Amino acid sequence: GAGVSQSPRYKVAKRGQDVALRCDPISGHVSLFWYQQALGQGPEFLTYFQNEAQLDKSGLPSDRFFAERPEGSVSTLKIQRTQQEDSAVYLCASSPLAGGPTGELFFGEGSRLTVL
Amino acid sequence: KQEVTQIPAALSVPEGENLVLNCSFTDSAIYNLQWFRQDPGKGLTSLLLIQSSQREQTSGRLNASLDKSSGRSTLYIAASQPGDSATYLCAVRDVGGTSYGKLTFGQGTILTVHP
Repeated sequence: GAGVSQSPRYKVAKRGQDVALRCDPISGHVSLFWYQQALGQGPEFLTYFQNEAQLDKSGLPSDRFFAERPEGSVSTLKIQRTQQEDSAVYLCASSPLAGGPTGELFFGEGSRLTVL
Repeated sequence: KQEVTQIPAALSVPEGENLVLNCSFTDSAIYNLQWFRQDPGKGLTSLLLIQSSQREQTSGRLNASLDKSSGRSTLYIAASQPGDSATYLCAVRDVGGTSYGKLTFGQGTILTVHP
């Protein structure tokens, strides 16, 4: 696709529900990042994939958060038993291999999660 | 741990003014620094990317500088327009013991340009 695509754009969940957020990166991009952005704050790192390998999950706030990228393309961020503090915008970004760590990151428009 | 700070937190200027947004970071071991724009309810749009070996980058009315040794970057916007109103985020891609470069963001500067 032309850019990073995320769905759903908006999700309202009742506390305790499970949610799944999808990220479709730019075709051919090897690196994929998930970020969490609370209202009025800058994005905070959650996890990083290189192809299908999850190389860093140090930013996941609890074991209720789980991310996968089974075929090295589409990624899903799953949040189990959602809590009100999970309310945030979840941003996905991808980057091509050629750029390596000096490459530019391209962000999607995010999925806004509201937990009631 | 890398920390990124942006000053000011908010800025309101009349149309036509030139302005400077500031960004500072604590760990100079970075791959690059990127400035983003974020409109309300939207994702991040990349404005400028400065590699660690570079001193500045320019795109149209925007100019970003990088002083890696002092841990500072500035984003200069010339002849501001109401359409420039948005949140501007600075982010550094730091070495931090990884091979892939984690992006660490500041909290952003909310810019309002009034007619």
